[in-house]
Amino acid sequence: RKEVEQDPGPFNVPEGATVAFNCTYSNSASQSFFWYRQDCRKEPKLLMSVYSSGNEDGRFTAQLNRASQYISLLIRDSKLSDSATYLCVVKLNTDKLIFGTGTRLQVFP
Amino acid sequence: DTGVSQDPRHKITKRGQNVTFRCDPISEHNRLYWYRQTLGQGPEFLTYFQNEAQLEKSRLLSDRFSAERPKGSFSTLEIQRTEQGDSAMYLCASSLVKRDRALQYFGAGTRLSVL
Repeated sequence: RKEVEQDPGPFNVPEGATVAFNCTYSNSASQSFFWYRQDCRKEPKLLMSVYSSGNEDGRFTAQLNRASQYISLLIRDSKLSDSATYLCVVKLNTDKLIFGTGTRLQVFP
Repeated sequence: DTGVSQDPRHKITKRGQNVTFRCDPISEHNRLYWYRQTLGQGPEFLTYFQNEAQLEKSRLLSDRFSAERPKGSFSTLEIQRTEQGDSAMYLCASSLVKRDRALQYFGAGTRLSVL
């Protein structure tokens, strides 16, 4: 079983739609959680950290459920520029990041 | 540009050759990480340094791979006797450990193709 599992997609949504991505992780000792965004053939870029209380950054909302070992990302009012792969990431008590395979989002006009 | 810098951006080599990649972290960052990413997968951790000390190595880092950070600034990743399976994007990241939080920022990567 992979340590971080994501639906690879693609998710094809029209501009203005709301889309949600889910991720599960296997190690209950995971301490920190993140979403990274990766454009085609580019490096991953930190989108947001994920906190137990949930957090929001503009159109993006992240949620963490430690009991279910589940992380989500909600994107409201999708823009064409949101088209990318979204990587779910966890960190244990060491400093290495463990990435999911990513969920591909394609926003169409 | 004050981000993480990697050189070269692309490297094509023949099987059996040695290659070396360089990473320059964000200037005040004390930790430096190497990851490898193959097509359709997320990045996989290889190793990381705090200053010049190598603190952790993945089992993915076979004895053909060696990483150094001699002066606690830039780092090199060398692959000896390259194999076709080494073809991947090699990503470097850096972070500043502060109050137990260390957000990692990635460079643009070195894309290695082994023929």
